Amino acid sequence: KNEVEQSPQNLTAQEGEFITINCSYSVGISALHWLQQHPGGGIVSLFMLSSGKKKHGRLIATINIQEKHSSLHITASHPRDSAVYICAVAYSGNTPLVFGKGTRLSVIA
Amino acid sequence: NAGVTQTPKFQVLKTGQSMTLQCAQDMNHEYMSWYRQDPGMGLRLIHYSVGAGITDQGEVPNGYNVSRSTTEDFPLRLLSAAPSQTSVYFCATSRFSGTYGYTFGSGTRLTVV
Repeated sequence: KNEVEQSPQNLTAQEGEFITINCSYSVGISALHWLQQHPGGGIVSLFMLSSGKKKHGRLIATINIQEKHSSLHITASHPRDSAVYICAVAYSGNTPLVFGKGTRLSVIA
Repeated sequence: NAGVTQTPKFQVLKTGQSMTLQCAQDMNHEYMSWYRQDPGMGLRLIHYSVGAGITDQGEVPNGYNVSRSTTEDFPLRLLSAAPSQTSVYFCATSRFSGTYGYTFGSGTRLTVV
């Protein structure tokens, strides 16, 4: 079974800390997505990447295709970053995404 | 543009009742999908469609039915609600599947008693 594993499952950080969330997958993919879900809220797409690195504000996503691994970094974390971060992969161009179970992040002021 | 509109936002059903969750999009996306989200389980795919007239089953299709008569709409039908279907349901769309960005609806919280 093709699986998507995220670590850690839960993460608590102090405001201002640098945060890393990891995602690994078992077979080759065509794209990887990072999503954000605030408590009781909807799901927002943060990044889609198939190679290299993308940056948006304080968020950075990287992917290593050879190692089948991606990381989501948050610089200078803030309480408003508290959310569940979800990794999802596409194994080919027109197949549904396969989701990880998410990482719950709490940033304390 | 409204993006992806899901209705209703909340619903309580009695066991055995049927209902339809609505999903409508105005982005001309070919790909539409339904997921359920349960604590500790992540998002699980129920059904998906790669275009009008085409649907396929996902990971957890039992007890659900879909149709795609237009590009814009992808309703999810619960045929005979069961307590195990208590969940939060999300509709998600994309221009095509995985190699394009996804847009999610705001979710429907369903309780079956």
